[in-house]
Amino acid sequence: DADVTQTPRNRITKTGKRIMLECSQTKGHDRMYWYRQDPGLGLQLIYYSFDVKDINKGEISDGYSVSRQAQAKFSLSLESAIPNQTALYFCATSDGTAYNEQFFGPGTRLTVL
Amino acid sequence: AQSVTQLDSQVPVFEEAPVELRCNYSSSVSVYLFWYVQYPNQGLQLLLKYLSGSTLVKGINGFEAEFNKSQTSFHLRKPSVHISDTAEYFCAVRLMDSSYKLIFGSGTRLLVRP
Repeated sequence: DADVTQTPRNRITKTGKRIMLECSQTKGHDRMYWYRQDPGLGLQLIYYSFDVKDINKGEISDGYSVSRQAQAKFSLSLESAIPNQTALYFCATSDGTAYNEQFFGPGTRLTVL
Repeated sequence: AQSVTQLDSQVPVFEEAPVELRCNYSSSVSVYLFWYVQYPNQGLQLLLKYLSGSTLVKGINGFEAEFNKSQTSFHLRKPSVHISDTAEYFCAVRLMDSSYKLIFGSGTRLLVRP
């Protein structure tokens, strides 16, 4: 079984709809991250959390919110989706070691019409 | 500000040929360096990392990379590529500060042709 899972894997929605992307991990890591991938731009950090009570904004947090429901669960919400939020979204986890290797989920492809 | 530059957006190469994917970074503080690979329809997988010590690091699938501090580069190499190496490759740096954030390059698509 995968260590980092994301649901759904694909989602098509309409402008203005509220969308939630979910991430679960079985690695026992405290740190979790949400990234967005756009062609030619690499990965950009949306939000990150170092533990259940710690939530931090990343580079591109506008239009997004997150919830850390438990150590193993970190969800990303788009309160009112817009077409330029069409992208591939990745969740990642890491432990607290110095080099902080991050482990990625398989991604969620979101299309906003 | 810190940044990672991957100059080549796509690198086509024939099977069994050598390949080098270039990565340069800019940072005012020390960094750790990583290469990740993304196969089609999959998440990112760590290929190799440089933390300290020997500047030549070896990773999975026959890849290696060399850290050059003076040139602020961390180029990825493989002496003989396979069709299965077709994927997107991302260089990333982590600042040695309390943020523990990864900064990614824009990616290089390696296309291996028979």
